[in-house]
Amino acid sequence: AQSVAQPEDQVNVAEGNPLTVKCTYSVSGNPYLFWYVQYPNRGLQFLLKYITGDNLVKGSYGFEAEFNKSQTSFHLKKPSALVSDSALYFCAVRDPRRTDKLIFGTGTRLQVFP
Amino acid sequence: ETGVTQTPRHLVMGMTNKKSLKCEQHLGHNAMYWYKQSAKKPLELMFVYSLEERVENNSVPSRFSPECPNSSHLFLHLHTLQPEDSALYLCASSQGRAETQYFGPGTRLLVL
Repeated sequence: AQSVAQPEDQVNVAEGNPLTVKCTYSVSGNPYLFWYVQYPNRGLQFLLKYITGDNLVKGSYGFEAEFNKSQTSFHLKKPSALVSDSALYFCAVRDPRRTDKLIFGTGTRLQVFP
Repeated sequence: ETGVTQTPRHLVMGMTNKKSLKCEQHLGHNAMYWYKQSAKKPLELMFVYSLEERVENNSVPSRFSPECPNSSHLFLHLHTLQPEDSALYLCASSQGRAETQYFGPGTRLLVL
């Protein structure tokens, strides 16, 4: 079955430190992977996606993600966290059987402390 | 942020009420989606419309009824809902069903 796992419910990091939000996936064929962010009382905002090519994908607000095929991971990273990065982050993979369907993880809450 | 708008932002309804959620996208997209977001659960895809044609999703109860009158507007008609239907309902759109989906701010629904 196609699935996405975000093993951490919450990640805490001090402002200015690097951050990593983890995501692993299980999908048949080549994965199409996405990261979205959700601020309080807001919808999901698209951050970045991996379709093919360079394993390091750069996205909005200084975020990047590293695709690792052997570890089936797509971790979200940022070199220096900001308090304003505090939000709920979702990893998603496109269902290869239905290209319009995204399979989401349960989300990871990122808390950046000043 | 204003590419996809949803109204109302908050809705409280009784189990016998009929209400509708509205979504409008200003991005020129041709596919639109309804998702349900419940606490501690992954987002659930409810319905997909592409070029105003509905893609069936058999797992959604019939008390939810979507309508897509044109490529810019999407409605979700609600009737005789249950308390467990309380959730954040998100609309999204994309240029083609295989392209990146962009989300609206959601409607927070409470069923009493």
